Formats: sequence, C-alpha cells, structure tokens
Amino acid sequence: DIQLTQSPPFLSASVGDRVTITCRASQGISKFLAWYQQKPGSAPRLLIYGASTLQSGVPSRFRGSGSGTEFTLTVSNLQPEDFATYYCQQLNTYPFTFGPGTTVDIK
Amino acid sequence: EVQLVESGGGLVKPGGSLRLSCAASGFTFSSHTMNWVRQAPGKGPEWVACVTGGSHFIYHADSVKGRFTISRDNAKNSLFLQMNSLRTEDTAVYYCARTSGSGTYNSPYYFDYWGQGILVTVSS
Repeated sequence: DIQLTQSPPFLSASVGDRVTITCRASQGISKFLAWYQQKPGSAPRLLIYGASTLQSGVPSRFRGSGSGTEFTLTVSNLQPEDFATYYCQQLNTYPFTFGPGTTVDIK
Repeated sequence: EVQLVESGGGLVKPGGSLRLSCAASGFTFSSHTMNWVRQAPGKGPEWVACVTGGSHFIYHADSVKGRFTISRDNAKNSLFLQMNSLRTEDTAVYYCARTSGSGTYNSPYYFDYWGQGILVTVSS
C-alpha cells in the first residue's frame, strides 16, 4: 500500500496568515492526489484534486501543488472558517489511502 | 442537488453483523463508482471498499476483506455494506462517498460528495 505522511501534524496560525501543509507519498503517484478539509462532526470536504485543480465552489485562497512524491496545500489569507483538519489522499493505486491529517488551530 | 444518506448503523456485539445502506439522489447513480470510507474516533479517514457503476470491479481494503462486502442496486439508487464478524476496531463513523473522474492523467479520480456519516459501535 502507498503510505502518506503529512507535516506538520499541528499548526497554530492567525487570521490573515498564509499556511503550508506538506504531504509525502511512499512512492510516486504522479498528480493523483486530493486534499480535503474536515471540521468536527462533519464529513470531509473536497478542496483540491489532481494535485492542483480547485474544486468548484472552493475559495481561490486554497492552492495545491506538487507531483510524484511531494505535494503542498497552501492557504493564503487564512479565514476563521479555515480552522480545521486537512487530509491528503492518494488516488493512484488501490487502496486509496489518506494521510494522518494536519490540524490548523487559532493561535 | 446531490445527496447521499447513510442508514443502518448502531451498537453491535463483537462477532455480530450489520448492514449499512446509502441512498443516493440528484445524479445518475449508475454512472459513478461508489465507496465506503470510515473514520475511527480521533483518527483520519480509512478507505474501506469501492464498487464500479456496473459492479464489474469491486475492491475491499485488507482490513475488512473476507468480512465486509460492498454491493449496489442501481435500480434503487442504493449502496450497501454488509459487515460480518465485526471487531471492536471496526468502531467508526462510516461514510459513503462518490467517485468522480475517470482515473486518467487529464481526468483524475476524486471523492466529491460524501454522506453525513453513520456511527457503528462494536462493543460488548
């Protein structure tokens, strides 16, 4: 199975900050990576797919990049509603594994 | 509007069985691969199983293989997960999720719609 690691596991930030989350895959997955946002008590919400394509309705302050084994999610001008946990998921090879998550909380 | 609504969860003893259902609406159900994804308390999501639109390809995670079975009924726009020989480690919120994309470089897969989730608790 393809393993995903995320760093950092926790991140404290302020409204207006720019934050970057990294996801690394144990083997090359081309661009087949998605990013999700999850808030307590809710299902994950798709933000980015194909490593860099913004899902319809997602604000443009979210940006994804990378290919192969290293990917990043950048959130610019952090808004109060962005404080959540973020997961990456590889969709290159079954099983479609998820990363362990990065929690962004308010500093 | 796309909607996915899970049902059938609850409390069950170790070794017991449960059948989850997911009612889909708002899209052409038979055109999409469907998935079950679970999330144990305080943990990240874990993909469990998928079934293609015509049920030609079915895949289960190793952690549930031989115990869980995914299936679908396109006539009823429904997805199912039969869970047998349940273990305490199967305790989780179970989500159904829709796959979009075709898995090619120009149209990668992604899970664009998720249900609200249903809690399954395995405890004596």
